[in-house]
Amino acid sequence: GAGVSQSPSNKVTEKGKDVELRCDPISGHTALYWYRQSLGQGLEFLIYFQGNSAPDKSGLPSDRFSAERTGGSVSTLTIQRTQQEDSAVYLCASSPPLAGYNEQFFGPGTRLTVL
Amino acid sequence: KQEVTQIPAALSVPEGENLVLNCSFTDSAIYNLQWFRQDPGKGLTSLLLIQSSQREQTSGRLNASLDKSSGRSTLYIAASQPGDSATYLCAVSGGGSGGSNYKLTFGKGTLLTVNP
Repeated sequence: GAGVSQSPSNKVTEKGKDVELRCDPISGHTALYWYRQSLGQGLEFLIYFQGNSAPDKSGLPSDRFSAERTGGSVSTLTIQRTQQEDSAVYLCASSPPLAGYNEQFFGPGTRLTVL
Repeated sequence: KQEVTQIPAALSVPEGENLVLNCSFTDSAIYNLQWFRQDPGKGLTSLLLIQSSQREQTSGRLNASLDKSSGRSTLYIAASQPGDSATYLCAVSGGGSGGSNYKLTFGKGTLLTVNP
């Protein structure tokens, strides 16, 4: 079946502009995650959504970052007033509704370059 | 804070060789451990997941073991092939203060090159 999809695959923007990154999880998966992969930091957790529960936003690096998940499916990660240090690959993952298991399946990522 | 270390950072082997990749984590109170591969410019592909109550998992030529008490996992690849060339990442959920059963902490990965 279809995996996690993300769009766009690449995004180049100018410093100070806002960007939106989209994630479509695997159908039927109730959990959705965003991670960031940068050269210096490796892979870092950003945010977690599970059904209708309040999201865990503890990994968001600043208040310029926000995310929402509409209808329990598609998620959008928004970065306002982008900075050069935001340049990274943003990865989305989803998990099926199996308690305690949480195997995460990743999308191909969005490569963000801030000039 | 949970920390994950992978050794070696890079490994180059001839085709056909059996090899072992190592992963260690500082806090043994994990929920599960997951091994991924990442090809250049691509996302992560899940290889194996070991729950904290398990000792090992196998898939084809891959075998992952978990020694939770010592904070270690190994990924064994049998009869390596050039198509196995990729970066292999180890990640754990749980451990550290406030560790959750969903938030993955990743190692920096091992870059594997299998030469024909």
